[in-house]
Amino acid sequence: DGGITQSPKYLFRKEGQNVTLSCEQNLNHDAMYWYRQDPGQGLRLIYYSQIVNDFQKGDIAEGYSVSREKKESFPLTVTSAQKNPTAFYLCASSILEPGGSYNEQFFGPGTRLTVL
Amino acid sequence: GQQVMQIPQYQHVQEGEDFTTYCNSSTTLSNIQWYKQRPGGHPVFLIQLVKSGEVKKQKRLTFQFGEAKKNSSLHITATQTTDVGTYFCAGNRDDKIIFGKGTRLHILP
Repeated sequence: DGGITQSPKYLFRKEGQNVTLSCEQNLNHDAMYWYRQDPGQGLRLIYYSQIVNDFQKGDIAEGYSVSREKKESFPLTVTSAQKNPTAFYLCASSILEPGGSYNEQFFGPGTRLTVL
Repeated sequence: GQQVMQIPQYQHVQEGEDFTTYCNSSTTLSNIQWYKQRPGGHPVFLIQLVKSGEVKKQKRLTFQFGEAKKNSSLHITATQTTDVGTYFCAGNRDDKIIFGKGTRLHILP
């Protein structure tokens, strides 16, 4: 059963702690993305990766870090430098067309992070 | 900077009424995608429009891409309670994809 998974669904952390959110896909997609969604807001791009061992900053990368050591995995670390980390985090993947245009994105179920 | 504006932000309609959300870009887009997010869920892809002036239909949903490839709309005919959720457009230009803030649709029974 192909898809994209995120864990955990809910995560609580104390202020000042780093936390890593998991994202795994078995769709054989080249491109993977991390978005942040705040209540009543759209999706803001944190980081994206088009190929293993390479990734680019999105619009709100400060306070976050990622790695792409395997095609199927794209973990996101929320560091203590992120000033307002409480949010809903969505991971997505897509096929990447030659020339760089994007196909439909498949989203995971999301992780709701609360920093106390 | 490059923006994708979506209006309205919220829409309340009586069940059975029509609904439209509009998406406008400051720059020409390669394509535009539409997603639906149910309350408490994650965005799910609905459709992608690529050609200038393109119109696509999915049952009660009609999607349009403007002639200049800078704007798009999603129209739902005779809304049902299952249409509740937030509808996002996402504009694709070069190597960037930018989501609008979404239109949240509430259906009044």
